[in-house]
Amino acid sequence: QKEVEQNSGPLSVPEGAIASLNCTYSDRGSQSFFWYRQYSGKSPELIMFIYSNGDKEDGRFTAQLNKASQYVSLLIRDSQPSDSATYLCAVIQAGGSYIPTFGRGTSLIVHP
Amino acid sequence: EAGVAQSPRYKIIEKRQSVAFWCNPISGHATLYWYQQILGQGPKLLIQFQNNGVVDDSQLPKDRFSAERLKGVDSTLKIQPAKLEDSAVYLCASSPLPEPYEQYFGPGTRLTVT
Repeated sequence: QKEVEQNSGPLSVPEGAIASLNCTYSDRGSQSFFWYRQYSGKSPELIMFIYSNGDKEDGRFTAQLNKASQYVSLLIRDSQPSDSATYLCAVIQAGGSYIPTFGRGTSLIVHP
Repeated sequence: EAGVAQSPRYKIIEKRQSVAFWCNPISGHATLYWYQQILGQGPKLLIQFQNNGVVDDSQLPKDRFSAERLKGVDSTLKIQPAKLEDSAVYLCASSPLPEPYEQYFGPGTRLTVT
């Protein structure tokens, strides 16, 4: 059973702080990793993806991947109240079928 | 560019009844996904189409769920008969490539089975 684990939270951070969201996965053969944001009552929207070890930055967001430790994280710099949402981690295993497996998501609350 | 369209947005049915959901992906997107998202959980992939062929349906409860994608464009997902545990949001998503590097979700259909 391929699993993707996330702490359900909520993670509460003050406005302007760095929010750090973590995700671990069980399948060492995983090749691509995705972060989605889902506002309450809305559909997920893709923030960014990463497939190489290290950091990938996009605006205020940085994804970090460590395949040896089987974790991927998302850092949100200068957090804003509008960042308050559930953040979903998804993982694709190697093998060509590109089937995404999602974690349950971490709820982030950014308070003024 | 129009997004992924889904209908209906809400549906309430009694257990053992049947229901169908419709999805129209973004024009030109070859890959179409149906997900089930139960409250408090992440989306679970039910079926993935590449054009009009099935890539994966390993998590689709085939004794009650069926899906088709006609002519590689629109898709329908059907549940017959529905159970209480089918209450969830059913999300359709599309992507131009087999890999979801550009995956866009529709607004979803919230199903309540009573």
